[in-house]
Amino acid sequence: GAVVSQHPSWVICKSGTSVKIECRSLDFQATTMFWYRQFPKQSLMLMATSNEGSKATYEQGVEKDKFLINHASLTLSTLTVTSAHPEDSSFYICSVATGSGANVLTFGAGSRLTVL
Amino acid sequence: DAKTTQPTSMDCAEGRAANLPCNHSTISGNEYVYWYRQIHSQGPQYIIHGLKNNETNEMASLIITEDRKSSTLILPHATLRDTAVYYCIVLNSGYSTLTFGKGTMLLVSP
Repeated sequence: GAVVSQHPSWVICKSGTSVKIECRSLDFQATTMFWYRQFPKQSLMLMATSNEGSKATYEQGVEKDKFLINHASLTLSTLTVTSAHPEDSSFYICSVATGSGANVLTFGAGSRLTVL
Repeated sequence: DAKTTQPTSMDCAEGRAANLPCNHSTISGNEYVYWYRQIHSQGPQYIIHGLKNNETNEMASLIITEDRKSSTLILPHATLRDTAVYYCIVLNSGYSTLTFGKGTMLLVSP
């Protein structure tokens, strides 16, 4: 199956700085990637759908200017948390639709962001 | 409106079968049942999915009732590494967005 790599696995930053998280599909060309966010003891919440070569589709309530998504190639999507604040501290997880079956997604290991 | 209902938590002894139920009484004809799990601090992992026939793979078995209003995920010989939150998701065929509910926290004990 597909292998999805996320980097960094964890990051600590100061409030007001921007953080970029990379999601790479190592062995599969992904036209679609999904970004999720998970707060402690809560379930995953879909933030946006990343489409290669076009603008991402954001879920209601997710600020597109704060969470910048770029999917410039079939193997890389990036999520940039701009002007991060402590409330943005969360576990960010990307996933790839591999085509092995509708809605069968391969997830990355996640990136834990802590904003001080 | 929740499409699925799962118990909040379950316990299972190591080596025994873990049977995780899911109710989806409003499932429509073209909706599949998907199961994912999330081990603590990791990304979710796909387990299995089915439409109406029972399915089995190397990880688990999925038993779907004839009326499709409920299903059971079976881990035949649970190990400590199967401790995780298990999510039952009902979704149309074709690419849709996976929406995760609260799932069932399965604790496998020695």
